[in-house]
Amino acid sequence: DAKTTQPNSMESNEEEPVHLPCNHSTISGTDYIHWYRQLPSQGPEYVIHGLTSNVNNRMASLAIAEDRKSSTLILHRATLRDAAVYYCIPHKRALDMRFGAGTRLTVKP
Amino acid sequence: GAVVSQHPSRVICKSGTSVKIECRSLDFQATTMFWYRQFPKQSLMLMATSNEGSKATYEQGVEKDKFLINHASLTLSTLTVTSAHPEDSSFYICSASGTIWGTDTQYFGPGTRLTVL
Repeated sequence: DAKTTQPNSMESNEEEPVHLPCNHSTISGTDYIHWYRQLPSQGPEYVIHGLTSNVNNRMASLAIAEDRKSSTLILHRATLRDAAVYYCIPHKRALDMRFGAGTRLTVKP
Repeated sequence: GAVVSQHPSRVICKSGTSVKIECRSLDFQATTMFWYRQFPKQSLMLMATSNEGSKATYEQGVEKDKFLINHASLTLSTLTVTSAHPEDSSFYICSASGTIWGTDTQYFGPGTRLTVL
């Protein structure tokens, strides 16, 4: 399993972009980079995933470094509802998925 | 995305009793489902992997006789905490896996908060 390093916490102002970094230097060539988030007192929810190319969806964008050893989740305009713990989890098979400590994002009004 | 439900959302029980938690995938068939436990201020810890029609695979350190898992259909898995004690109080979360664009994605239930008195 790829080891990941994420900041313990980050703060953002509402309506501003947020860049959440993740280092995964031991990622294997077949691992996809998944991001999930967990809102308070809820189960995690899928945010986005990618393999090599940058990806966009309605929730966020994912920027993947050329060497795939790091990635950045981008929330284009943070809202109060985006306050959550964000997990970066490289894996291919669901069986290999393990949660790290994640980054706790606080959004200030 | 796919919807996974859990029931009950919250349960309080006395020490020594057993509690059953249901996990259902509502709009897709899940061959594999997962059970996690989360203590306050901590991350999710995988307890076991549940495959339809076969015995669950437990993570190291998780007692299979205490945490009974049944996955009798492609849409339902249950976790029974037997002879619950206060140290079993936790947030239990299930998930079901599906494949999107070449990789497995997990869809999580809303969680069940268990309090053992």
